[in-house]
Amino acid sequence: EIVLTQSPGTLSLSPGERATLSCRASQSISSSYLAWYQQRPGQAPRLLMFGASRRATTVPDRFSGSGSGTDFTLTISRLEPEDFAVYYCQQYGDSSLTVGGGTKVE
Amino acid sequence: QLVLQESGPGLVKPSEALSLTCAVSGGSISTSTYHWGWIRQPPGKGLEWIGSFYYSGSNYYNPSLKSRVTIIGDTSKNQYSLRLSSVTAADTAVYYCARWGPAYAFWYWGRGTPVTVSS
Repeated sequence: EIVLTQSPGTLSLSPGERATLSCRASQSISSSYLAWYQQRPGQAPRLLMFGASRRATTVPDRFSGSGSGTDFTLTISRLEPEDFAVYYCQQYGDSSLTVGGGTKVE
Repeated sequence: QLVLQESGPGLVKPSEALSLTCAVSGGSISTSTYHWGWIRQPPGKGLEWIGSFYYSGSNYYNPSLKSRVTIIGDTSKNQYSLRLSSVTAADTAVYYCARWGPAYAFWYWGRGTPVTVSS
């Protein structure tokens, strides 16, 4: 099973600042199989990025994703109030999915 | 617009089976393009994939839950169901259903339904 480790666990920032979230896989994965989700309190997760760097529908362009192999990054260029949430990375491989432990942006 | 809605008992006794249904509207579970999954989230914790269903009948499950999980689809009602046997308090969580695909991600999610395992 591929383990995804997200860091930091919590990111304390202010509106307008840049957020950089990391997702590290225990073994190399295809970037096509890496997705990011945002979860606000009391809500279901929302897909942000797929294929590591492609924004899902209606996702603002302040969100960007990058990475390959075992290291992936989600960047929020300028935090808006609605961006303070928990972010998860997820990978697919060998008919199995795993999700990282999440990064809380507060 | 695709809508997924989970339903089922909110309270299950230990050692019994948990059964939930996901009703899908605005799209068909029989389409060959997508898979349909279950994900759960224990209180205050992260997301855990439970398993996924494909209309042809090929399913795949989280290895850590595989021995207790069954996911089946009912194309006549356009819904699919989760059964998790021999539950314990560790199975207490919000359970989400979601559409998988395209591109190896869950694009549409239900609102989730909380399930508590307690006597």
